[in-house]
Amino acid sequence: AQSVTQPDIHITVSEGASLELRCNYSYGATPYLFWYVQSPGQGLQLLLKYFSGDTLVQGIKGFEAEFKRSQSSFNLRKPSVHWSDAAEYFCAVGATGRRALTFGSGTRLQVQP
Amino acid sequence: DGGITQSPKYLFRKEGQNVTLSCEQNLNHDAMYWYRQDPGQGLRLIYYSQIVNDFQKGDIAEGYSVSREKKESFPLTVTSAQKNPTAFYLCASRGTTRTSGELFFGEGSRLTVL
Repeated sequence: AQSVTQPDIHITVSEGASLELRCNYSYGATPYLFWYVQSPGQGLQLLLKYFSGDTLVQGIKGFEAEFKRSQSSFNLRKPSVHWSDAAEYFCAVGATGRRALTFGSGTRLQVQP
Repeated sequence: DGGITQSPKYLFRKEGQNVTLSCEQNLNHDAMYWYRQDPGQGLRLIYYSQIVNDFQKGDIAEGYSVSREKKESFPLTVTSAQKNPTAFYLCASRGTTRTSGELFFGEGSRLTVL
């Protein structure tokens, strides 16, 4: 069975500081990996996705993520956090096609001025 | 603009009542999904449908029902059998081309049982 672990429930960083959110997955084949962001009371917006190829993927809002097969990880990074990045972040794993994605429990990011 | 529309955004229900949450998409996606979100638990899959007139149970289907009579619509009914229905419900759809495998989400419906 596939699963996703986001070890950090809550992270606080200062504005302008760098950010790394951790994601570990369990999947039987080559995974398709995603990072989503959610503002309070809203739906989820895709930040970036990894299907194949270059293991460092770029997303929207200055985010990037690196796929490391040997560590079963897909960590999300941003070099300089803005106050508007405060939100909840979800990592997800799945296969191609029409089957559902499996989500982690999320990491809530707080940004201090 | 293409997207997913969920309604209502907020819904209050008395115990013992069934309620139906609407989900409509104009993205021409075959696959649609319902997730439930509770604080600290991420998103859990309730039901999904890969094609019209077909649907499968997800991880937490008990107390819920769905239908998929049209490609654009995938309504979710929360029945009185659902013991703890207060939650945030998210509907999503998915493209099936190789480079568009992400889920597209609606804005969610918050259900509160009084």
